[in-house]
Amino acid sequence: QSALTQPRSVSGSPGQSVTISCTGTINDVGGYNYVSWYQQHPGKAPKLIIYDVSKRPSGVPDRFSGSKSVNTASLTISGLQAEDEGDYYCCSYAGSKTVAFGGGTKLTVL
Amino acid sequence: QVQLVESGGGVVQPGRSLRLSCAASGFTFGVYGLHWVRQAPGKGLEWVTLISYDGSKKYYADSVKGRFTISRDNYKNTLYLQMNSLRAEDTALYYCARGTGGYDYHMDVWGKGTTVTVSS
Repeated sequence: QSALTQPRSVSGSPGQSVTISCTGTINDVGGYNYVSWYQQHPGKAPKLIIYDVSKRPSGVPDRFSGSKSVNTASLTISGLQAEDEGDYYCCSYAGSKTVAFGGGTKLTVL
Repeated sequence: QVQLVESGGGVVQPGRSLRLSCAASGFTFGVYGLHWVRQAPGKGLEWVTLISYDGSKKYYADSVKGRFTISRDNYKNTLYLQMNSLRAEDTALYYCARGTGGYDYHMDVWGKGTTVTVSS
């Protein structure tokens, strides 16, 4: 069970778009369309923002979108807002009913 | 409202045991798989274990296999994590989370967590 690879940090100005990558292998990201993304603000529990690669739960703004190509999933946040600042984690089903998280990416809104 | 509330955390010496609980409300507990996920201080999320909706199937991360046991009581709407042979590296905030979707892999409801500190 290996962690998925994410950039440690990304940044963008209000109104811009940022993309966070999440690289795995054929055994996790590449093998299943079961990638999810979580947003975590300091001192708070994670919040699901994308599931099944590109689906948004009710209440999540459409500024958040997800995609996948081969072994890499991506989260794009368009029209950045100050409230988007926080940590973002990707997560993938990894076979045999196990789950793998990425190491997390800190998003700074400049 | 849909809610998960963890309890049972504390300070424990290496090698000792601790049992965490997670009380659920606001949804039909017995139809969902449930996860424990932990977060060491200043670190990222780490998946720990998953239990099926009926408790018949249990899955563990390699880091806790053989030491931790997940269980549930669908009459009490409560999830448990029995942690034995605790190590310093088990120090973390432990979240319970509701699993849904294919293989129950994505977690749509989270508790606020309970803190476990393993220290002599």
